[in-house]
Amino acid sequence: EVQLLESGGGLVQPGGSLRLSCAASGFTFSNYAMSWVRLTPGKGLEWVSSISGAGIGTNYADSVKGRFTVSRDNSKNTLFLQMNSLRAEDTAIYYCAKKRSGTSLEIFSFDYWGQGTLVTISS
Amino acid sequence: QSALTQPPSASGSPGQSVTISCTGTSSDVGGYNSVSWYQQHPGKGPKLIIYEVSKRPSGVPGRFSGSKSGNTASLTVSGLQAEDEADYYCSSYAGSNNLVFGGGTKLTVL
Repeated sequence: EVQLLESGGGLVQPGGSLRLSCAASGFTFSNYAMSWVRLTPGKGLEWVSSISGAGIGTNYADSVKGRFTVSRDNSKNTLFLQMNSLRAEDTAIYYCAKKRSGTSLEIFSFDYWGQGTLVTISS
Repeated sequence: QSALTQPPSASGSPGQSVTISCTGTSSDVGGYNSVSWYQQHPGKGPKLIIYEVSKRPSGVPGRFSGSKSGNTASLTVSGLQAEDEADYYCSSYAGSNNLVFGGGTKLTVL
């Protein structure tokens, strides 16, 4: 059974940093690209970042480019999102999601999602 | 990376059919056969119910169907059931390894 379990969310002041993790199980982790997607009450779902199966290729939404860094440790089946220079508009539930098929960065759909971790940016 | 446009709400009675639209541009919905639909119940992660415009993953009931015409994709839920009450989101590949989502539609079963 595929499982994705996010952790690391919390309350952070504007300008602060946070590192999210996503522990994966039930599939061959390195065979799939992975992504982070966030949910905000006002904007709905927003794709944040993706990383290829080998971890060599990455891509980011314009709203987080230069502030967020996605990485993965295939030996530990874990996905990460380092978030720096956090802003109020980064407040959201962050989900990790598995690409339905393949290792490339062309993300067409996600077949499994975690339950999410809440990130709140406030002073 | 503009969001796709969905109606904020939709509703129907048990047994009825309801259709949710998802409007984009020729750079996303109209340009690729890569529209997906997700169902999200409160407190849960999204669930994939339609991919590649009209394909259903294993285990998704046949009551859910998808289609596309031009820059607008649609999700139809037939034979509405109480458990279909949820938020629904569309997404589309938008080129250059980018993915765009719709703003979501809250489906109420009356």
